[in-house]
Amino acid sequence: GENVEQHPSTLSVQEGDSAVIKCTYSDSASNYFPWYKQELGKRPQLIIDIRSNVGEKKDQRIAVTLNKTAKHFSLHITETQPEDSAVYFCAAPPYSGGGADGLTFGKGTHLIIQP
Amino acid sequence: EAQVTQNPRYLITVTGKKLTVTCSQNMNHEYMSWYRQDPGLGLRQIYYSMNVEVTDKGDVPEGYKVSRKEKRNFPLILESPSPNQTSLYFCASRYGGPSYEQYFGPGTRLTVT
Repeated sequence: GENVEQHPSTLSVQEGDSAVIKCTYSDSASNYFPWYKQELGKRPQLIIDIRSNVGEKKDQRIAVTLNKTAKHFSLHITETQPEDSAVYFCAAPPYSGGGADGLTFGKGTHLIIQP
Repeated sequence: EAQVTQNPRYLITVTGKKLTVTCSQNMNHEYMSWYRQDPGLGLRQIYYSMNVEVTDKGDVPEGYKVSRKEKRNFPLILESPSPNQTSLYFCASRYGGPSYEQYFGPGTRLTVT
C-alpha cells in the first residue's frame, strides 16, 4: 500500500522565522496531498491541500509544494506565530490500485514556536 | 451545523468487556473511516466504508468490527478489548468524488485496563 514518510518529527523555530516540513510518498499514481494541523486535545483539521496537476499552492502564510518526479511534497509556513504551534500531518490517498479509501498519514511533526 | 459526532468522548474499561463507540455525520457523506492515533505513529486507518453495507479493512483492523446499516452512522465495535487498544480514536467522513478531504469527529479517548 501507500507509504508516507514525514520529517522532521520535531521542529523548533523562532517566532517570525519560517518552518518547512517534508513528506515523501510511494505510489506514483497518488493525486491528492493534504496537510492537517492538530492542536493539543483537538481533532485534525485540513489547512491546505494540493492536487497533482499543480506544483505549488499558497494560502496567506502557508504554502505547499509538490515534486511528482521525486514523489515528495512540503509544507512551508512563513512568519511563524505562537498559534502555529501544533502537530502537523501530511497524507496521501491509499494505494490507487487497491480500491481502498481514506488517507495514509505521516507520523506527524511537532512544531514548536519559540518566543 | 455540519459535523461529525462521536460518543463517548472518554471511556475507561476493563479487558474483555465489549464496547461500542458511535459515530454519526449529518453531511450525507458516502465515505466514512475510523482511525486510531498513538504517540509517534500518527493516524492509522482501522476500517472504512464506501456506502451503506459496504465496509473494508484498513491498515490495523485486528480486534475491531464495524457496521454501516445507515448512511449517517458508522459504529466501531470492540468485542473483547485489550490494553493494546488503549488509544485516541477518530471517526471521519467525506463526500464521494475526487476530493479526499476528511472531516474528523472530536475523538474518543479509550483506556483499557
